[in-house]
Amino acid sequence: DTAVSQTPKYLVTQMGNDKSIKCEQNLGHDTMYWYKQDSKKFLKIMFSYNNKELIINETVPNRFSPKSPDKAHLNLHINSLELGDSAVYFCASSPGLETQYFGPGTRLLVL
Amino acid sequence: AQSVTQPDIHITVSEGASLELRCNYSYGATPYLFWYVQSPGQGLQLLLKYFSGDTLVQGIKGFEAEFKRSQSSFNLRKPSVHWSDAAEYFCAVGPMNRDDKIIFGKGTRLHILP
Repeated sequence: DTAVSQTPKYLVTQMGNDKSIKCEQNLGHDTMYWYKQDSKKFLKIMFSYNNKELIINETVPNRFSPKSPDKAHLNLHINSLELGDSAVYFCASSPGLETQYFGPGTRLLVL
Repeated sequence: AQSVTQPDIHITVSEGASLELRCNYSYGATPYLFWYVQSPGQGLQLLLKYFSGDTLVQGIKGFEAEFKRSQSSFNLRKPSVHWSDAAEYFCAVGPMNRDDKIIFGKGTRLHILP
């Protein structure tokens, strides 16, 4: 009964490929997020969705496209992967303006 | 500009010793304040949070934090650390509304000596 799950856990791919990361939460929360954690552990928000509506869209290259088919799912599609995209990507959800519940992360390595 | 500063990148303490991790913030008003912990290879887990009221908040795993408005600080403390406390600790501020975002500090890596 995992609260926030992400797939895959590890992703190794070549530059130029397109890949997707999936996120699902079974907490009934209205808000979901994508974060990027770089090699220095710096955590930065990329996107947030509230009930399938895009709320926050940080200065992220448009190669990154989030998609929320319903409020329990928030997927991240990345086109034309670059070396600098290598990082750990975390999905999170929250019931409102408070505690965020994080998934286990997806470790992306672009070769 | 909104920001969070964790001045210590690494801290090493002996098992059983007390711990204090520092966090200072810059925000337009009194924000929501959080401490999260990240164990190696894991996601972040909330330790405690401050929204209003009592400035000393208790969290999980024996942690507590004190909000000091005059110092714009929200330091995390534990009276006696355990080897399992070795992890990365993140202080965070916000969000105050739906369009706002949570801002994380750069983290403090805690090492425990046996």
